[in-house]
Amino acid sequence: QKEVEQNSGPLSVPEGAIASLNCTYSDRGSQSFFWYRQYSGKSPELIMSIYSNGDKEDGRFTAQLNKASQYVSLLIRDSQPSDSATYLCAVIGSSYKLIFGSGTRLLVRP
Amino acid sequence: KAGVTQTPRYLIKTRGQQVTLSCSPISGHRSVSWYQQTPGQGLQFLFEYFSETQRNKGNFPGRFSGRQFSNSRSEMNVSTLELGDSALYLCASSWADPNTGELFFGEGSRLTVL
Repeated sequence: QKEVEQNSGPLSVPEGAIASLNCTYSDRGSQSFFWYRQYSGKSPELIMSIYSNGDKEDGRFTAQLNKASQYVSLLIRDSQPSDSATYLCAVIGSSYKLIFGSGTRLLVRP
Repeated sequence: KAGVTQTPRYLIKTRGQQVTLSCSPISGHRSVSWYQQTPGQGLQFLFEYFSETQRNKGNFPGRFSGRQFSNSRSEMNVSTLELGDSALYLCASSWADPNTGELFFGEGSRLTVL
């Protein structure tokens, strides 16, 4: 079992829709959770962090965390073609390493 | 403010050779982490250095090694290259503790092993 799992996609949504990206993790001791965005041919960049159960909103982005279910999600409202990228879920577990999922490719259709 | 700089950006090697990759972190950042990115495995953690000390290590064979210098610049070395080592090697820096999760990545060094 991978430590951080994501559906590879692609997840295709029309412009203006809500994109929902999901991630599960295996280490119950994990305390810190992050979403990175990686455009094709570019390096990852941090877009959201979340540390406690519930929702955290930042502009069009909302991160959701459910530690009991070991589940993290990222919602992107009013999706734009410029949001088309690979979204990487990352988790710091009990080993204190930042472990990345393999990413979900999001395609926003104009 | 300059970002994370990695050199070389692209390189081609043959099996059995060795390679050294360099990373200059953002000025003032003292932690440098290295990741290997492949289409099948995604981003895999190699190691992390802080103040010239390796603080954490991923599950890679001993052929993969690294070091950090007093100016926080870091190098990683891969010896006895194998075809499976072909990947994008990403360096990321942070102020002090990568456990904050806020890593700043360089553009990467793309290694092709023939």
